[in-house]
Amino acid sequence: DTEVTQTPKHLVMGMTNKKSLKCEQHMGHRAMYWYKQKAKKPPELMFVYSYEKLSINESVPSRFSPECPNSSLLNLHLHALQPEDSALYLCASSPQGQGYWDTQYFGPGTRLTVL
Amino acid sequence: TQLLEQSPQFLSIQEGENLTVYCNSSSVFSSLQWYRQEPGEGPVLLVTVVTGGEVKKLKRLTFQFGDARKDSSLHITAAQTGDTGLYLCAGADTGTASKLTFGTGTRLQVTL
Repeated sequence: DTEVTQTPKHLVMGMTNKKSLKCEQHMGHRAMYWYKQKAKKPPELMFVYSYEKLSINESVPSRFSPECPNSSLLNLHLHALQPEDSALYLCASSPQGQGYWDTQYFGPGTRLTVL
Repeated sequence: TQLLEQSPQFLSIQEGENLTVYCNSSSVFSSLQWYRQEPGEGPVLLVTVVTGGEVKKLKRLTFQFGDARKDSSLHITAAQTGDTGLYLCAGADTGTASKLTFGTGTRLQVTL
């Protein structure tokens, strides 16, 4: 089973709302990732958690707040977003997040629209 | 900054034709993945190549990793309409395996 699940599938929110995106994997992977993908562009890395600790933050604005409650779950808390934050948000996981190679498996994504 | 350039950017072919997509960089990668992505969905892993010069075959798809681990190619034989999608190569950094550098993408359209 190489499945990463994400909820919700679609989310529409106002600029003053607070919402959360959820990601789950049961493959025993120890690294989890958040990516942002704009239309017709490749995914851009936002955050990496390795062994439940934040290991990479790609200078993401503080209105995006990641959380890793346990090794299977990854959340992305959203607050005071801007319309330009509208995008497809992808979660991924990989076995270790370390070592010389480590394949990432992606979830189906959450399509976020900020009004 | 590592960059991965894919070519061509767009490809429209008829079913049954063969095609090759290229993924090139001036940087060395510890491994390289190929993904296919449908609109509004997440990328689906096709293959990971690790060793320079490695060739992997998955049914009608053949993947090659360059000897110097700076480039890769994807060859599809007898394309089918189900092959339509965005093809992305992604290289893993030799220093930090967690960071993937994605290629610019190749959008493939296969018609009857």
